[in-house]
Amino acid sequence: EDQVTQSPEALRLQEGESSSLNCSYTVSGLRGLFWYRQDPGKGPEFLFTLYSAGEEKEKERLKATLTKKESFLHITAPKPEDSATYLCAFVYGQNFVFGPGTRLSVLP
Amino acid sequence: ETGVTQSPTHLIKTRGQQVTLRCSSQSGHNTVSWYQQALGQGPQFIFQYYREEENGRGNFPPRFSGLQFPNYSSELNVNALELDDSALYLCASSQDGDGWPQHFGDGTRLSIL
Repeated sequence: EDQVTQSPEALRLQEGESSSLNCSYTVSGLRGLFWYRQDPGKGPEFLFTLYSAGEEKEKERLKATLTKKESFLHITAPKPEDSATYLCAFVYGQNFVFGPGTRLSVLP
Repeated sequence: ETGVTQSPTHLIKTRGQQVTLRCSSQSGHNTVSWYQQALGQGPQFIFQYYREEENGRGNFPPRFSGLQFPNYSSELNVNALELDDSALYLCASSQDGDGWPQHFGDGTRLSIL
């Protein structure tokens, strides 16, 4: 069965403490792996799309990478405003299959 | 560029009632998808509409139905509401039926008493 898991479930960092979030997937014929950020009470905000193993995308303090089995979202020197839930998703047919998310808290 | 807008933002209903949620897609987008997000979970796909036709459906019962209009706005209708229907309902729009990347509205928070 095609599915996606994310780890850790929750992560607490001090401001400036770099770390990585993991998204593992089992899907045949990956058509795209997506990362979203979601703030409380808001809809997911699109961050990155990755299509093939070895691909990397960067935006400010975030960098997303993709292998054949997993994707990482690396956060370098995070700030409190990076606190949010980070969701990954893959395309399955006509829809996205989302992981449960990682809740990131960055403390000042 | 206008983003995805949803209405209402909050709604309270009782079991057995019916509800209609509305979504205006981002300008230039002809595909709308609806998701249900329970607290602490990722969004779950309900269905997608492309050019006014249903274009895919997730594992939701028939009491969840939808419409897409010629201007690509959309409605989600839920009949015979159950307590478990309490959730954040998200609408996402995209171009050309392939459905990605999808851009989300801020959702409608539905509470069932």
